[in-house]
Amino acid sequence: AQSVTQPDIHITVSEGASLELRCNYSYGATPYLFWYVQSPGQGLQLLLKYFSGDTLVQGIKGFEAEFKRSQSSFNLRKPSVHWSDAAEYFCAVGDPSNTGKLIFGQGTTLQVKP
Amino acid sequence: NAGVMQNPRHLVRRRGQEARLRCSPMKGHSHVYWYRQLPEEGLKFMVYLQKENIIDESGMPKERFSAEFPKEGPSILRIQQVVRGDSAAYFCASSPGEGARKLFFGSGTQLSVL
Repeated sequence: AQSVTQPDIHITVSEGASLELRCNYSYGATPYLFWYVQSPGQGLQLLLKYFSGDTLVQGIKGFEAEFKRSQSSFNLRKPSVHWSDAAEYFCAVGDPSNTGKLIFGQGTTLQVKP
Repeated sequence: NAGVMQNPRHLVRRRGQEARLRCSPMKGHSHVYWYRQLPEEGLKFMVYLQKENIIDESGMPKERFSAEFPKEGPSILRIQQVVRGDSAAYFCASSPGEGARKLFFGSGTQLSVL
């Protein structure tokens, strides 16, 4: 069955520290991969996406993610976290037939300590 | 160009009432997707519509839920005889037909059933 796993429900990091949020997926083929961020009471904002090509993807707000086919992973990273990064982060996969039907992980809540 | 507009932002209903959630896609977008986010969970796909057609309703509960996207006007997600378990955030996303390559989410409607 197709699924997305975000192993960490909550993560707390200090402002200025580096961040890595994990995402693993189970899919029949190489899917399209996404990271979204959701601030409290807000909708989803796309941080970055991978469809093909370079496996290291740059996104907005200084985020990047690396697709590792052998590990079925698409981890999100940021070298230095800002207090405004506190939010919930969702990893998602999409079908290569390219509809907007996505499968989301449970989400990781990021807290940033001053 | 306004984004995906959902209204109302918050909707309170008593058990047994009907809930109508509206989604106006971005200008030029003819594809609409509805997702539901239960508390402490990620988003789950419900239904995919194009103008006047339901393309994929594999995520819709079999009873009480329906969706439409008429030729004119917004897409409507309708929940009849709401129960407490319907309390959730409902998100709409729209696309110009390029699937997840150009998928934009609205800010959601928070449904609370008393």
